[in-house]
Amino acid sequence: DAGITQSPRHKVTETGTPVTLRCHQTENHRYMYWYRQDPGHGLRLIHYSYGVKDTDKGEVSDGYSVSRSKTEDFLLTLESATSSQTSVYFCAISEFQQGRLYNSPLHFGNGTRLTVT
Amino acid sequence: GQSLEQPSEVTAVEGAIVQINCTYQTSGFYGLSWYQQHDGGAPTFLSYNALDGLEETGRFSSFLSRSDSYGYLLLQELQMKDSASYFCAVRDGSGNTGKLIFGQGTTLQVKP
Repeated sequence: DAGITQSPRHKVTETGTPVTLRCHQTENHRYMYWYRQDPGHGLRLIHYSYGVKDTDKGEVSDGYSVSRSKTEDFLLTLESATSSQTSVYFCAISEFQQGRLYNSPLHFGNGTRLTVT
Repeated sequence: GQSLEQPSEVTAVEGAIVQINCTYQTSGFYGLSWYQQHDGGAPTFLSYNALDGLEETGRFSSFLSRSDSYGYLLLQELQMKDSASYFCAVRDGSGNTGKLIFGQGTTLQVKP
């Protein structure tokens, strides 16, 4: 298995509080992603990173910010959590290879289950 | 933008063959991927098609028709452990961002 660690694995927080989820990789992969998974919606991309300090928005980025100060760490922050952000959050990594970018599979972490009350 | 459609649920019996279809719309096409996710687990990569035709990996095969914007995942000799959700996915239309967009997933239930 690819070396991806998400922390925490479970978190319960109150509406309006800030929350930061961490993704740590030991694979030195260039690309890192944050997805959320909700019943009936599959996996939806929140933000992704294509290098240190290089990030971009995904499909559902409102209410979320990210940071990547080191290759191995990608942080997802909910500045003020809302009940609609209750979800399972998956981090993923992808190895960039020249000429094989489009065939680079994503390797997922085990997820963080976040409940906002 | 990109969008993908796949059936929400499929049921089959052990030992049978099942096909999970996926149709996609994308401004630029850079391959169709399939992922498997067991309940409570992380998605894992199954297969990838960049060109038309069938790719076989053991009991699983994946097919692509770019002219029809269509692909499918074929699972043969179904086993109980194949009960899971299956997602098709395409790269962002520009192809150079690394963004992978997923369909809503198909839940496969294998019955004895």
